[in-house]
Amino acid sequence: DAGVTQSPTHLIKTRGQHVTLRCSPISGHKSVSWYQQVLGQGPQFIFQYYEKEERGRGNFPDRFSARQFPNYSSELNVNALLLGDSALYLCASSLDPSGRAWETQYFGPGTRLLVL
Amino acid sequence: KQEVTQIPAALSVPEGENLVLNCSFTDSAIYNLQWFRQDPGKGLTSLLLIQSSQREQTSGRLNASLDKSSGRSTLYIAASQPGDSATYLCAVSAAGNKLTFGGGTRVLVKP
Repeated sequence: DAGVTQSPTHLIKTRGQHVTLRCSPISGHKSVSWYQQVLGQGPQFIFQYYEKEERGRGNFPDRFSARQFPNYSSELNVNALLLGDSALYLCASSLDPSGRAWETQYFGPGTRLLVL
Repeated sequence: KQEVTQIPAALSVPEGENLVLNCSFTDSAIYNLQWFRQDPGKGLTSLLLIQSSQREQTSGRLNASLDKSSGRSTLYIAASQPGDSATYLCAVSAAGNKLTFGGGTRVLVKP
């Protein structure tokens, strides 16, 4: 079975532009979460979606938005890019976000975004 | 607000030595704690998951312990190899399955 896939793998944008990142979860997984990992730091939670509805949002500005499609894939959108948005954006999938103690999240390879 | 800390931030050991990585968290109301491995520029690979009701988990050369009352977890890697060189991240999961990560420990195993 394919794991979590993300596209594109790398992206270079300039300040003020908009970017869309894509994620396909593991087959059968209905929950997708997005994380931002700045170089040298641990990932920070951005959003969680389940069954096309937002289930959680981290401490990120409104420039960040996301959605989930009927096939459970997801997009992360970032408007008005800033230099500080340069990071590795990670997508993770799980069966559902109910927080069962034995359930893990599976991460994709990430999209490396560089804002110049 | 949950905070997760990993000490040390970096570690260098000769091949064959045992590795001990530490993780502490401030809020003991967790569902589970996970240890991940991250190679440079790559995504995260789950190594071990310890449920909040468990004290430890083992997989091959890896052993992770959890002391929820004191807010601590330790990852032991026995007989380290150069291929173990990577960044190791711990993360705790609370209601809703959102993960809160530590800053990671960067490990270098020298041949």
